[in-house]
Amino acid sequence: EAGVAQSPRYKIIEKRQSVAFWCNPISGHATLYWYQQILGQGPKLLIQFQNNGVVDDSQLPKDRFSAERLKGVDSTLKIQPAKLEDSAVYLCASSLDVAGVVSTGELFFGEGSRLTVL
Amino acid sequence: GEDVEQSLFLSVREGDSSVINCTYTDSSSTYLYWYKQEPGAGLQLLTYIFSNMDMKQDQRLTVLLNKKDKHLSLRIADTQTGDSAIYFCAERSGNTGKLIFGQGTTLQVKP
Repeated sequence: EAGVAQSPRYKIIEKRQSVAFWCNPISGHATLYWYQQILGQGPKLLIQFQNNGVVDDSQLPKDRFSAERLKGVDSTLKIQPAKLEDSAVYLCASSLDVAGVVSTGELFFGEGSRLTVL
Repeated sequence: GEDVEQSLFLSVREGDSSVINCTYTDSSSTYLYWYKQEPGAGLQLLTYIFSNMDMKQDQRLTVLLNKKDKHLSLRIADTQTGDSAIYFCAERSGNTGKLIFGQGTTLQVKP
């Protein structure tokens, strides 16, 4: 079974530039997450989708970050304009969770996209 | 609120047992998890425990849950150098199902 795919793996940009990350979840997984992991810290949730609807985006800095999940499959996360403090690994994860169905809630993670903002 | 706390660093000798501790705050959490992260890689699920259990054993891994104190621990028996990694504790939010992670414990295994 293919895992969660993310691209690009690495990106270096200057502050005020824009960047986009792409994620393809495991086939059939209804829920998709974007987490931000700053060096030395645990992952912090940015946004959670169920199918193509947003469940939680309370921690997403909406003045510069945006995310979409068209057709309830692939997702893109965009940062515009980037700041120095956005340097981090952006992790995409997916799970089987659907409303009304009890599951273990296990998240499957991609390898992440490492962003360096200079 | 939702918060997960872990100690930052643990060093053990190969063959010893390792115990990594975690505290959480959301009493409505249904599942609690331990993830492992190796350098340059994503997070890999090691094990999980349902909130109505107090212990779960899986080969070299033992998870203990004290729901009253909101304390979770992961014991690795016969620790090997390949166990060197960062270990994250996570709780599942009772509201949205999202996972809330601790800051990670770096496990260093000395030969």
